[in-house]
Amino acid sequence: QVQLQESGPGLVKPSQTLSLICTVSGGSISSGNYYWSWIRQPAGKGLEWIGRIYSSGSTNYNPSLKSGVTISVDTSKNQFSLRLSSVTAADTAVYYCARDRRDRSVWAFDYWGQGTLVTVSS
Amino acid sequence: DIQMTQSPSSLSASVGDRVTITCRASQSISNYLNWYQQKPGKAPKLLIYGASSLQSGVPSRVSGSGSGTDFTLTISSLQPEDFATYYCQQSYNTPWTFGQGTKVEIK
Repeated sequence: QVQLQESGPGLVKPSQTLSLICTVSGGSISSGNYYWSWIRQPAGKGLEWIGRIYSSGSTNYNPSLKSGVTISVDTSKNQFSLRLSSVTAADTAVYYCARDRRDRSVWAFDYWGQGTLVTVSS
Repeated sequence: DIQMTQSPSSLSASVGDRVTITCRASQSISNYLNWYQQKPGKAPKLLIYGASSLQSGVPSRVSGSGSGTDFTLTISSLQPEDFATYYCQQSYNTPWTFGQGTKVEIK
């Protein structure tokens, strides 16, 4: 059973960099036809896809966030990470990591972490 | 970006009711449409992928249909554990985008 777990600071100051790590267990981050995604959800609002990474390092980003986002992967640790620079209060949200699986040519998020709340405040 | 619009935004229903939620894409997305269920304080859970394929472990009372721009999620007989918020999501083109959600409440 694949499990994902987010970790990182729960409080970040405005203009600083938000950094989160997602640790994958129960399977190798390098195996199979999977990308690994970050998704966020402000309190009481909907879901926003941030971007994804393949084990080779290939990435796709949401253009609405692209200028400040970096997603990287460390296959030796079975982890991938998110960095979001120059954060503002609008970046306050629950951040999820998820596995982006391809089945019958359709990509879908089949495993999710429990989510971690990041608050941007001074 | 492809815009996803769900209707209704919320609905009230009773246990045993048949419930249908609609999702419309701003352009044709073939069958690249997924449905998720989210309960308060929890991560979303994949229910349907490819518009109509049931994810493993999801009960058969849940079904999806549609192609192109118009899609539906149907729960044939609502159970207590089905009260939640449902999201559609397109995986036709990045950036992947979600609908705004439909909250299913107890009548």
